Amino acid sequence: EAQVTQNPRYLITVTGKKLTVTCSQNMNHEYMSWYRQDPGLGLRQIYYSMNVEVTDKGDVPEGYKVSRKEKRNFPLILESPSPNQTSLYFCASSYKDSNQPQHFGDGTRLSIL
Amino acid sequence: GDSVTQMEGPVTLSEEAFLTINCTYTATGYPSLFWYVQYPGEGLQLLLKATKADDKGSNKGFEATYRKETTSFHLEKGSVQVSDSAVYFCALSDQGNTPLVFGKGTRLSVIA
Repeated sequence: EAQVTQNPRYLITVTGKKLTVTCSQNMNHEYMSWYRQDPGLGLRQIYYSMNVEVTDKGDVPEGYKVSRKEKRNFPLILESPSPNQTSLYFCASSYKDSNQPQHFGDGTRLSIL
Repeated sequence: GDSVTQMEGPVTLSEEAFLTINCTYTATGYPSLFWYVQYPGEGLQLLLKATKADDKGSNKGFEATYRKETTSFHLEKGSVQVSDSAVYFCALSDQGNTPLVFGKGTRLSVIA
């Protein structure tokens, strides 16, 4: 089954404790991206990747890192999480770029205390 | 920069009512336009898309027409069902290597 898998689905942690949210897709997609969803703000893109070893900032990249060492994986790293990063995070992928339909994961709800 | 504005929610309708969710956009180029739907507890799913002026996207009884003259992409459905209750997002992509821009979402509740 074609899917985008995120882990964990839920995480409660404390300020400053490094964490990684994994994202994996099994569709051989070139384009992957991360979004955060906040009430009243909709979805905002954090980072995106056009292909392996190619990453770029989205609209709200501050406080986040990403890497794309393999085509299928695109982890989101919070080196020193802060409470303002409490949010619902989505990973998405598409065949080629942002013009193509995006396939979304089921989301990761992060709470930073 | 590019932006998407969609009508504020929540929208509450009775089953079989007509639905319109307004979406207008601002873009420098000729964007592709999308409607995504998010059911409770799930990620977003593509509902429909249009890539050029006057294109009509359609799926599951929903339709939207790309209107370049009014920079709009309004979502319509002739007869909603309880199962259509979800949050609907309008989005645009100006170029393939630029961020996908979403509206803030419109929550639809359909009551029997």
